[in-house]
Amino acid sequence: AQSVTQLGSHVSVSEGALVLLRCNYSSSVPPYLFWYVQYPNQGLQLLLKYTSAATLVKGINGFEAEFKKSETSFHLTKPSAHMSDAAEYFCAVSVDYKLSFGAGTTVTVRA
Amino acid sequence: DVKVTQSSRYLVKRTGEKVFLECVQDMDHENMFWYRQDPGLGLRLIYFSYDVKMKEKGDIPEGYSVSREKKERFSLILESASTNQTSMYLCASSTLEDAGRQPQHFGDGTRLSIL
Repeated sequence: AQSVTQLGSHVSVSEGALVLLRCNYSSSVPPYLFWYVQYPNQGLQLLLKYTSAATLVKGINGFEAEFKKSETSFHLTKPSAHMSDAAEYFCAVSVDYKLSFGAGTTVTVRA
Repeated sequence: DVKVTQSSRYLVKRTGEKVFLECVQDMDHENMFWYRQDPGLGLRLIYFSYDVKMKEKGDIPEGYSVSREKKERFSLILESASTNQTSMYLCASSTLEDAGRQPQHFGDGTRLSIL
């Protein structure tokens, strides 16, 4: 069965600092992986996706993620945090068109 | 842009009531999904549908049913609402193309309180 684990339910970073959100997956087949962001009182918005092309995937708002098969990881990074990055982030793996989500990581940005 | 519209942003109902949550998408997507979101648990799939009048149970279908009479509309029904169904409910849609590579598109959610 496919599943996702997000390490750290809360991450606090200073404005301008690196944002690193960790995601590990388990999958019996080559996975399709997604990162979504949820701003307060809104639905989920796609940040980026991995679908077996390039292992380094660039998304919106300066985020990127690297697929590492040997580590079964798909960590999300942004070189320089902005106040507007404060949100909840979800990693998900696609299984037969259905998404299996991690528990989410809430990012707080300190001025 | 794909638009997924949920009929209510906030809803307050009483225990025992029958509750309907409505979702409409405008991109002719075959797949539609209902999730509930609870703190620390992420999103959990309640039901999904890959075609009109077709439905499949997700991970937590107990206490819920769904209806898909038209391709663009997917309804979630709480047959007899209970306080443990107080939650955020999210609807999503996706295309059948590309064997699951395409992302799901989400509505803004309905925050449901059962008193």
